Amino acid sequence: DSGVTQTPKHLITATGQRVTLRCSPRSGDLSVYWYQQSLDQGLQFLIQYYNGEERAKGNILERFSAQQFPDLHSELNLSSLELGDSALYFCASSAEGQRAPNEQFFGPGTRLTVL
Amino acid sequence: DAKTTQPNSMESNEEEPVHLPCNHSTISGTDYIHWYRQLPSQGPEYVIHGLTSNVNNRMASLAIAEDRKSSTLILHRATLRDAAVYYCILRVYNTDKLIFGTGTRLQVFP
Repeated sequence: DSGVTQTPKHLITATGQRVTLRCSPRSGDLSVYWYQQSLDQGLQFLIQYYNGEERAKGNILERFSAQQFPDLHSELNLSSLELGDSALYFCASSAEGQRAPNEQFFGPGTRLTVL
Repeated sequence: DAKTTQPNSMESNEEEPVHLPCNHSTISGTDYIHWYRQLPSQGPEYVIHGLTSNVNNRMASLAIAEDRKSSTLILHRATLRDAAVYYCILRVYNTDKLIFGTGTRLQVFP
């Protein structure tokens, strides 16, 4: 158990819909990261937040957005869903940002299926 | 982002050492070398990282070539639980994002 929790575990929805994935980082970790893992693209970095502020952006689509709240939990919002958005979405957390080669702890993931 | 090259798959027998190679010929002087692994149906987990010197921890050892253009993850005695996809990642100094490649799928046979 990494200490990172993600809800829900599974999500099935239809094209065009909007969903919200939630992540609670390890206690005390200030950085939260979102990754997408699909069969054809592998594991891709989407976005990082550090203490409530966006820190780094990867291959995140404009239809996707994220935020980190004052209690440090994070949400990833996916809208206008397409079949190709079906994937595993992982959240990770780490203690610091950019100042040390820090270990990232990954949650168990949310499996999104778009029908 | 600098790229890593790993074999697609490797096999080992239980209780034997495993050497997982990684080439990163375009590494810059400040890139850290990280290894993560992903067990079936789980999120990735940190294994080890290094910059220039060889590193040991309870899970594995990391041997880094003198020119830093390659590295090897060493599992001293493979167990069935070590069957996973192992990712070698270069992390750019002063950033935290991990750029995963395709990794090496390790199979361990009893």
